[in-house]
This record gives sequence, C-alpha cells and structure tokens, in this order.
Amino acid sequence: DAGVIQSPRHEVTEMGQEVTLRCKPISGHNSLFWYRQTMMRGLELLIYFNNNVPIDDSGMPEDRFSAKMPNASFSTLKIQPSEPRDSAVYFCASSLGQNTDTQYFGPGTRLTVL
Amino acid sequence: GQQVMQIPQYQHVQEGEDFTTYCNSSTTLSNIQWYKQRPGGHPVFLIQLVKSGEVKKQKRLTFQFGEAKKNSSLHITATQTTDVGTYFCAQVSNRDDKIIFGKGTRLHILP
Repeated sequence: DAGVIQSPRHEVTEMGQEVTLRCKPISGHNSLFWYRQTMMRGLELLIYFNNNVPIDDSGMPEDRFSAKMPNASFSTLKIQPSEPRDSAVYFCASSLGQNTDTQYFGPGTRLTVL
Repeated sequence: GQQVMQIPQYQHVQEGEDFTTYCNSSTTLSNIQWYKQRPGGHPVFLIQLVKSGEVKKQKRLTFQFGEAKKNSSLHITATQTTDVGTYFCAQVSNRDDKIIFGKGTRLHILP
C-alpha cells in the first residue's frame, strides 16, 4: 500500500495568494483528517471527514480555510487568501473507520507564506 | 472541555539512560494512542491502550494506562539514538468520542 499521499511536499507562496493542498487517503479508509503543525501550537486538528462528509470543522481557523472531499480517494484544503501566519506543516491522515481508530499520516506539506 | 497535558515538553538524556513521558487528561478516556514523529517526519502510530491498568510492551518501550483511565505513560529503557523524536499521546474522551493530540514530548539523545 502506498500510504497517504500528499502534494505538494513543499509550497512557498506570497501573501494573498491562493494555496491548495491535496491528499489521497489509504484505499478503503473511511475517515480523513487535516492537521496543522507549528512549534507554538503543536498538532491541531482542522477538519475531519467520515465517508466524504465533513463531521467536525471546529478547528478550521477562519473563513479563509476551506476543505472538500469530492470522493473517497481525494481531498483538498484551500487557503484563500494566504497569510504569513498560515506558514506551517499541514498533515493529512486517514483511518479505517471512525475518528477514534488508528490514524495513518501522510508526509505533510510544508507551507511558507512570505 | 477535554484538556490534554503531556509532560515534559522536552527531555535530554544521555544515550543508555531511561526516559518517561506522561499524558494526563481532565476527563475519563475510552482509549489512548501513542505516536512517534521523527525530526522532519510525520507522526507514526505506536500503540493503542483501551483497558484500565493495561500495560503493553514493544521491545524497550513500555506503555501504561492508568487505573482511572485518565493518564498514561510511555517509558523507554536504555535509550538509543534511534529513539530521537517527539512522542505524542492522542486521547479519545468517553464523552464526545473526539481524538485530541497532546503537544508532545521532544526527546533528544546526547551521545
């Protein structure tokens, strides 16, 4: 199994630009998670999908952030417009069943907003 | 709401010494998971504890779940340089089935 796939691995952009992060979960997994990791705040859950439906988006910082899961094998996290404080590593993870099952993380996307 | 406290935040140990990190919750947990993240890497699942007082071992790693299911510990015996990384606990509350990660304990090994 290829594991969770994320792209791009690194993204450098300028303030105000739109950023789209992509994730392909492990085949057969029903839950997908987006996390943001920074030194200051640690690992923060942004949003969680179950069977392609957003279940908990209480961690999404503000309206500039949006996430979609159009089908079981693809999800996007979009930031528009991006700001320097959005600089972080964004991880996607998937799990077999509910949100309480073991999570398998992707390699992450390191985002730098100048 | 549920609060996760993981201590210590950082730990430097001499290679060969033991290391312990603790994870405490303000609420009773249905289960707890431990993950390891190597520098520059991503969190990788280590183990899940479900039963009160449960103890599980993986080679030099010993995981324990408290009797009251409110705390957990990870102990590494005779640390090696390969143990370097950040260890996270992830708690699942009895109340709302949400999984919350602690801030992690960063382990640094001195040669």
